[in-house]
Amino acid sequence: GENVEQHPSTLSVQEGDSAVIKCTYSDSASNYFPWYKQELGKRPQLIIDIRSNVGEKKDQRIAVTLNKTAKHFSLHITETQPEDSAVYFCAALDSDSSYKLIFGSGTRLLVRP
Amino acid sequence: EAGVAQSPRYKIIEKRQSVAFWCNPISGHATLYWYQQILGQGPKLLIQFQNNGVVDDSQLPKDRFSAERLKGVDSTLKIQPAKLEDSAVYLCASSPLAGGPETQYFGPGTRLLVL
Repeated sequence: GENVEQHPSTLSVQEGDSAVIKCTYSDSASNYFPWYKQELGKRPQLIIDIRSNVGEKKDQRIAVTLNKTAKHFSLHITETQPEDSAVYFCAALDSDSSYKLIFGSGTRLLVRP
Repeated sequence: EAGVAQSPRYKIIEKRQSVAFWCNPISGHATLYWYQQILGQGPKLLIQFQNNGVVDDSQLPKDRFSAERLKGVDSTLKIQPAKLEDSAVYLCASSPLAGGPETQYFGPGTRLLVL
């Protein structure tokens, strides 16, 4: 089955700087990779996702890149703002099963004003 | 559109007691998921329903956890008897189609504390 590793576990950046979070996955047949943002005490919210037929996807200040050969994908946040502070989870679809998402362990991002 | 609804939002019980959580998915969503999120970790899938059938319950501790989705809409997750290690947030999510890598929408979760 799929295994997802996420790094770093915590990330502190100055407001306006960029933040990068990286994930690796084990199942080469995985074809869907969403990123969720979870603020303290709130539900995970999808912020961006990518499918395996594209290498990069961008939405305003957020972008995701996918390297299928190396089996890793990354979240890039540019011009960070204090409201970007949250825990970010990557996930990968387990192709063995019924479209089960396997989540990474999360990255706590702190944007210092 | 209305989001995924869950209740209760918080629950405190003593070990060996039983507890039940309820989830109402987004209208029309065929697939429903229950996740367990332990503090500091990512969500872990417990069970997945497609309409009213179980698709994956491989990580559900079946000796104490049970879930059902009667009529393919609402779902309940039960723990009996609860253990200390069951303290977590229980998240329900739903997705539109039966199968396929569709976006999962999460509910607000039920925070369970077992004393």
